[in-house]
Amino acid sequence: GENVEQHPSTLSVQEGDSAVIKCTYSDSASNYFPWYKQELGKGPQLIIDIRSNVGEKKDQRIAVTLNKTAKHFSLHITETQPEDSAVYFCAASIMDSSYKLIFGSGTRLLVRP
Amino acid sequence: NAGVTQTPKFRVLKTGQSMTLLCAQDMNHEYMYWYRQDPGMGLRLIHYSVGEGTTAKGEVPDGYNVSRLKKQNFLLGLESAAPSQTSVYFCASSYSMVWDRGLEKETQYFGPGTRLLVL
Repeated sequence: GENVEQHPSTLSVQEGDSAVIKCTYSDSASNYFPWYKQELGKGPQLIIDIRSNVGEKKDQRIAVTLNKTAKHFSLHITETQPEDSAVYFCAASIMDSSYKLIFGSGTRLLVRP
Repeated sequence: NAGVTQTPKFRVLKTGQSMTLLCAQDMNHEYMYWYRQDPGMGLRLIHYSVGEGTTAKGEVPDGYNVSRLKKQNFLLGLESAAPSQTSVYFCASSYSMVWDRGLEKETQYFGPGTRLLVL
């Protein structure tokens, strides 16, 4: 089955700097890769996603890149702000009838003011 | 529109007790899911449902049962709770993920979670 590895487990950056979180997946059939942000005491919320037919996607300060050959994808946050502090999860999925997501173990991001 | 709601928010059980966690969504979503979240392990899928009256096993189904009698509700049951089931439980729902429909919101929406402690 699919396995998703996520690095680093914790990341501390200065406000205004960039943050990069990386994930690798094992199943070459995976074709949908969402990223979730989880704030303390809340459920995960989708912040950006990418499909396997696209190499990069941007939404304001966040972007995701996908390398299908190497089977890895990354989340990039530019001009970080204290409110970006949270736990971020990557996930991978095969877009079949079940739509099951396999999650990475999470990255705790701390943005220092 | 409340989205996905979970009941209760927090519960303490003794080993061997049973309980049911309720998930409700008002978005008319076909798919619903139950996950557990443990430190350092991300979210792991327990069971899921692709429609009313249907359920299927996820990654870690042992010790849990589910039912989807109504489209808007997805129940997670623990028949005989064990300390290993201490966790935070999240419910999620989504549209049918068919690419060629061009749905805008093709994602899983999560509830706020239920914290369960089994002593």
